[in-house]
Amino acid sequence: SQKIEQNSEALNIQEGKTATLTCNYTNYSPAYLQWYRQDPGRGPVFLLLIRENEKEKRKERLKVTFDTTLKQSLFHITASQPADSATYLCALGLNYGGSQGNLIFGKGTKLSVKP
Amino acid sequence: NAGVTQTPKFRVLKTGQSMTLLCAQDMNHEYMYWYRQDPGMGLRLIHYSVGEGTTAKGEVPDGYNVSRLKKQNFLLGLESAAPSQTSVYFCASSYRAGPSGELFFGEGSRLTVL
Repeated sequence: SQKIEQNSEALNIQEGKTATLTCNYTNYSPAYLQWYRQDPGRGPVFLLLIRENEKEKRKERLKVTFDTTLKQSLFHITASQPADSATYLCALGLNYGGSQGNLIFGKGTKLSVKP
Repeated sequence: NAGVTQTPKFRVLKTGQSMTLLCAQDMNHEYMYWYRQDPGMGLRLIHYSVGEGTTAKGEVPDGYNVSRLKKQNFLLGLESAAPSQTSVYFCASSYRAGPSGELFFGEGSRLTVL
């Protein structure tokens, strides 16, 4: 069966450390992978997109990797801050030939950064 | 620039009642989407639209109808609400087709069906 899993529901780390969130999938062949941030009571906010032929993408303190062999994406936040505390969602972008594609969302990982 | 606006933000319905959620975007995006988010589950696509006057079913369309009469608006209707439709509903829009388009989400509409 097709699955997308974010490795943990919650991740607690100390301020200044690097947070690493994992997104694994099975029986999908995504063309893209996106990461979103969601704060309590708010809508998700887009962070980064990585294509299947890209190994790594960076934006400020954020880094995303995409390994289509391992069927895994890693999302890193370096020098983490309490303000980075939120739920992070990964989403697989699937190409359905000729028609509107679709995004399949994971359940999210709740990150808490302690001062 | 408001982005994506959803109304209402909260609503309580009784089983069998009907209602419409309104989504408006001011970014001139062609593509609009309705998702629902439930505890322990990822966002699930209900319906989407690739342009004015067009709609299509997503992953969980049963019990919902949609309309896109104007490019900037996407309406989600519940004809006969059921407790299983208690959820947080998110509207989103994008300027690019397919999975490469980043989504711009509204703040959500929290619906409770008693």
